[in-house]
Amino acid sequence: KQEVTQIPAALSVPEGENLVLNCSFTDSAIYNLQWFRQDPGKGLTSLLLIQSSQREQTSGRLNASLDKSSGRSTLYIAASQPGDSATYLCAVCSNDYKLSFGAGTTVTVRA
Amino acid sequence: ETGVTQSPTHLIKTRGQQVTLRCSSQSGHNTVSWYQQALGQGPQFIFQYYREEENGRGNFPPRFSGLQFPNYSSELNVNALELDDSALYLCASSPVFRGDTQYFGPGTRLTVL
Repeated sequence: KQEVTQIPAALSVPEGENLVLNCSFTDSAIYNLQWFRQDPGKGLTSLLLIQSSQREQTSGRLNASLDKSSGRSTLYIAASQPGDSATYLCAVCSNDYKLSFGAGTTVTVRA
Repeated sequence: ETGVTQSPTHLIKTRGQQVTLRCSSQSGHNTVSWYQQALGQGPQFIFQYYREEENGRGNFPPRFSGLQFPNYSSELNVNALELDDSALYLCASSPVFRGDTQYFGPGTRLTVL
């Protein structure tokens, strides 16, 4: 059974600082890994998807890396803004196309 | 906006009752998945439907059941509601190729009293 862990559980930074969010998973036989953003009481918004054959994916200020052999992914958010305040969820898609989620990292960016 | 809608937004039921939650996927998305998200936790996979057939199930009892219709809508039914069923229920749809990016709806907040 795939277990996904996200560290830290919460993070508070001043505006402009770079964010580093970590995700680890127990089974390296994955199809892809996805990062989502969730605002309070809302649904999930897809940020980045990394295929199992890729090492990283970038979109604007966001960059996600994947090290499948060690079971780790890192999401970097450059030059954080108050609008980046949200919960960030890592989800591992197994080879049967099912998503397993971590509990998330709640980010607060202070103006 | 993901193009995935869910109804109702909020729902309050009492223990033992039955509930039906609805989801409308994007046109052309043949795969729909349902998730349960308890407060402070990540979503847990309930089941997935592909072309109107169940295509996998998470660790949920049979009182959680679903349907997918040809018009890209789907339902999640929960019988004999328990207090622990209180959660945000999310549906997510994917394009034809399974394993692609999933597009989530805003969710239905279910409270069981």
